Amino acid sequence: DAKTTQPTSMDCAEGRAANLPCNHSTISGNEYVYWYRQIHSQGPQYIIHGLKNNETNEMASLIITEDRKSSTLILPHATLRDTAVYYCIVSDPAAGNKLTFGGGTRVLVKP
Amino acid sequence: GAGVSQSPSNKVTEKGKDVELRCDPISGHTALYWYRQSLGQGLEFLIYFQGNSAPDKSGLPSDRFSAERTGGSVSTLTIQRTQQEDSAVYLCASSSQGVTEAFFGQGTRLTVV
Repeated sequence: DAKTTQPTSMDCAEGRAANLPCNHSTISGNEYVYWYRQIHSQGPQYIIHGLKNNETNEMASLIITEDRKSSTLILPHATLRDTAVYYCIVSDPAAGNKLTFGGGTRVLVKP
Repeated sequence: GAGVSQSPSNKVTEKGKDVELRCDPISGHTALYWYRQSLGQGLEFLIYFQGNSAPDKSGLPSDRFSAERTGGSVSTLTIQRTQQEDSAVYLCASSSQGVTEAFFGQGTRLTVV
C-alpha cells in the first residue's frame, strides 16, 4: 500500500477553515484517497474520499493535486467538536480496499 | 442493526486466559476489518475479510491471535494466553464492496491484569 505523510498536529481557530495536508507521493493510479477522523474515545468516522477530482460533502472538501501526490482536507468552519485525529489513507478498492492507518494529524480547535 | 456492534464493550481478564471478542457487521457488508489501538496510539491493522476470499492476516501480531468470520457475517477475534501487552481497544469495521466508506464499531476495551 502507498504510504501517507501528515503533520503530527495542528491548531485551528473556531469558525475558521482548517486545511489539513497529506502527502502520498507513491500513490498508484487505482488508489483512492480516503479521510477519516477519530474523536476521543470513539471509533473512526468516515469523512470523504476521492480519486482525482475535488470532492465536497456536508462535512468537508477534498482537494487533490493534479499529479495526485498530495491532497488537502478542508473543514470550512471548524467547531470545537471537530477536535480529533484526522487520518489520510490511500487504498485500492479493486485490490481489496484494505485501510491502513498512519499516525494522522491531531487537530485542536480552539475557541 | 443500525451500525457495527461489538461485544463486550469492556473485558477484564487475567494474564494467560483466552478471550473472544465479537463483531456484528452491518447487514450485507462483505468486508470486515479488525484493528487494535493501544492507549494514545494509532490504529494497528490486524486482519481483513473480503467476501469469500482468503482473509488478509498480515497484521496479526502472533499466533496467539486468530479470527474467523462465520457465514460471511459475524466475526470473532480470539486471543489465546493473553499477555499484558494485549491490553488495548479492539475495533471492528465493515464496508460494502467497492469504493465505499467503512463503518466502525465502538470497540472492545480489553484489560489484561
